[in-house]
Amino acid sequence: QQQVKQSPQSLIVQKGGISIINCAYENTAFDYFPWYQQFPGKGPALLIAIRPDVSEKKEGRFTISFNKSAKQFSLHIMDSQPGDSATYFCAASRMDSSYKLIFGSGTRLLVRP
Amino acid sequence: EAQVTQNPRYLITVTGKKLTVTCSQNMNHEYMSWYRQDPGLGLRQIYYSMNVEVTDKGDVPEGYKVSRKEKRNFPLILESPSPNQTSLYFCASSPGLAGANVLTFGAGSRLTVL
Repeated sequence: QQQVKQSPQSLIVQKGGISIINCAYENTAFDYFPWYQQFPGKGPALLIAIRPDVSEKKEGRFTISFNKSAKQFSLHIMDSQPGDSATYFCAASRMDSSYKLIFGSGTRLLVRP
Repeated sequence: EAQVTQNPRYLITVTGKKLTVTCSQNMNHEYMSWYRQDPGLGLRQIYYSMNVEVTDKGDVPEGYKVSRKEKRNFPLILESPSPNQTSLYFCASSPGLAGANVLTFGAGSRLTVL
């Protein structure tokens, strides 16, 4: 079964710190890797996404790092804020079927003031 | 406002009592899907639909049915719910074309089966 493995399951970071969430995938045909952010009581929403032709993508305080040879990618949240407290899901798919995502198990992030 | 609307948001039912969770989107999206979210398991796909009258099984379809008679609606049917179907359910939609599709999720439906 195609899988995306995500770690850690939960993460506590002080305000201003760096949050790092890691994911690993198995299927080498995957070429689209989004991260979704979910606040309590809400559905997930796209945060940032990357394709494997680049090793890094940055949007504001959020950065995806991608290591194609290791089949791993990670989300870095710089200067973490209490408002970043949420559950984060990594996901993967093929670009020609990017609507059919395989999700990781999720990471619950708590940023303490 | 572009959105995916699910109803009900919360439901407590008993084993064996048929129920339907409705899902409607107003973005003219071709693709719609149902996921269930369970602690430690993330989001797992139940069923998806590429267009009207076109549906297919996801990773965990057992115990569920779907239909896509209209483009905007994609109801999830539990014919005989069991306690292991207690979960948080999400409907999602996307344009469905090749490329970097963004899934738009509903707010979720929390189902408890006693």
